[in-house]
Amino acid sequence: QSVLTQPPSVSAAPGQKVTISCSGSSSNIGNNYVSWYQQLPGTAPKLLIYDNDNRPSGIPDRFSGSKSGTSANLGITGLQTGDEADYYCATWDSSLNTWMFGGGTRLTVL
Amino acid sequence: EVQLVESGGGLIHPGGSLRLSCAASELVVSRTYMSWVRQAPGKGPEWLSVTYSGGDTFYADSVKGRFTVSRDNSKNTLHLQMTSLRAEDTAVYYCARVIGFGGVPNRYFEYWGQGTLVTVSS
Repeated sequence: QSVLTQPPSVSAAPGQKVTISCSGSSSNIGNNYVSWYQQLPGTAPKLLIYDNDNRPSGIPDRFSGSKSGTSANLGITGLQTGDEADYYCATWDSSLNTWMFGGGTRLTVL
Repeated sequence: EVQLVESGGGLIHPGGSLRLSCAASELVVSRTYMSWVRQAPGKGPEWLSVTYSGGDTFYADSVKGRFTVSRDNSKNTLHLQMTSLRAEDTAVYYCARVIGFGGVPNRYFEYWGQGTLVTVSS
């Protein structure tokens, strides 16, 4: 069981938007940056959002991140079939001095 | 373009040992934080270790005492020596560059390799 809690799955139609949540505690999300990773089938995780709400070069602005207290959200608008993937949140835990990953959310674009 | 290429995975019997390698290009492994992360089939990523530029390495409790990270600066390569392997160590193993702040590797995983599969089975 992951320390960071994500919904196992979300789904929406093409063109719609979804929000994926990630819940933690004061020792991890509450006091550290959150990053998000997209994992397409059969590939390595890829950085999607860093430092809570920043996009690396090449990531479309359809993807957004936010953080409030001990929770974070990943938003995806204008859904495309190519967005079907597993999405993971991650953050450092200051008490344990370790990295934590969420259990992952599978996005289905219906 | 930064590339991280893992190698050394394969089928190994329980109790056996295996050494993985992570060769880097366009990135100097001795000048940045580097981590090993694994992902068991159908599961999320699990962080295993982080190596500081100075050479110190810190491990997750799940592998402490069994896994050891080393670095070959001349080959710009990171290694993961795994011993006393168990069935639950079966996973794809990734190396990744970590970005930190304030002397702590705590911001994000910037680059990932393609991974190498380790299967522990009799």
